[in-house]
Amino acid sequence: GAVVSQHPSRVICKSGTSVKIECRSLDFQATTMFWYRQFPKQSLMLMATSNEGSKATYEQGVEKDKFLINHASLTLSTLTVTSAHPEDSSFYICSAPSGWLTDTQYFGPGTRLTVL
Amino acid sequence: SQQGEEDPQALSIQEGENATMNCSYKTSINNLQWYRQNSGRGLVHLILIRSNEREKHSGRLRVTLDTSKKSSSLLITASRAADTASYFCATDRYTGTASKLTFGTGTRLQVML
Repeated sequence: GAVVSQHPSRVICKSGTSVKIECRSLDFQATTMFWYRQFPKQSLMLMATSNEGSKATYEQGVEKDKFLINHASLTLSTLTVTSAHPEDSSFYICSAPSGWLTDTQYFGPGTRLTVL
Repeated sequence: SQQGEEDPQALSIQEGENATMNCSYKTSINNLQWYRQNSGRGLVHLILIRSNEREKHSGRLRVTLDTSKKSSSLLITASRAADTASYFCATDRYTGTASKLTFGTGTRLQVML
């Protein structure tokens, strides 16, 4: 099946720094990708929809200036956590639809962000 | 929040037993999906059931859907230790280009040897 990768898998940074997380579709093109965050032992919460060639759309309550999303190609979306703080520590997961107008999604393995 | 509720939150069973997880949701849906997540990993799609379907099978998995009650259940038969994971239901919202998923709260399943 289709594969979605994320890089890095783990990152530890100091408070106030910015961290970029990459999400790649390895063997298919994705005009749309989704970014989620997940706190320990909790569910996934959709943060934003990344659209290739246009602005991302953010869910209510998600600061777009805090979480910058760039979808510059059909296989790559990046999420940059700007001026990270300890409360941004979380598990960030991306996903991409498995095909045009299909309902299932392929998920990346996730990125564990720890802000000290 | 449109997030669905799942119960139980945690389930511990012996290998070979069946595991049943339930999911309730709030809005009308096109389909409902079940995903599995191993600890600290991404999600793996298990099965999708459409709103006009009532039951679906895939290997040891059986999913039911009751749209009148806005609920679904996932049954794993003859469980194995390797089934230990968190299981999430997800409902979709079609955005025009792709379906957004809203996840339930999840059930943590532990299968003991």
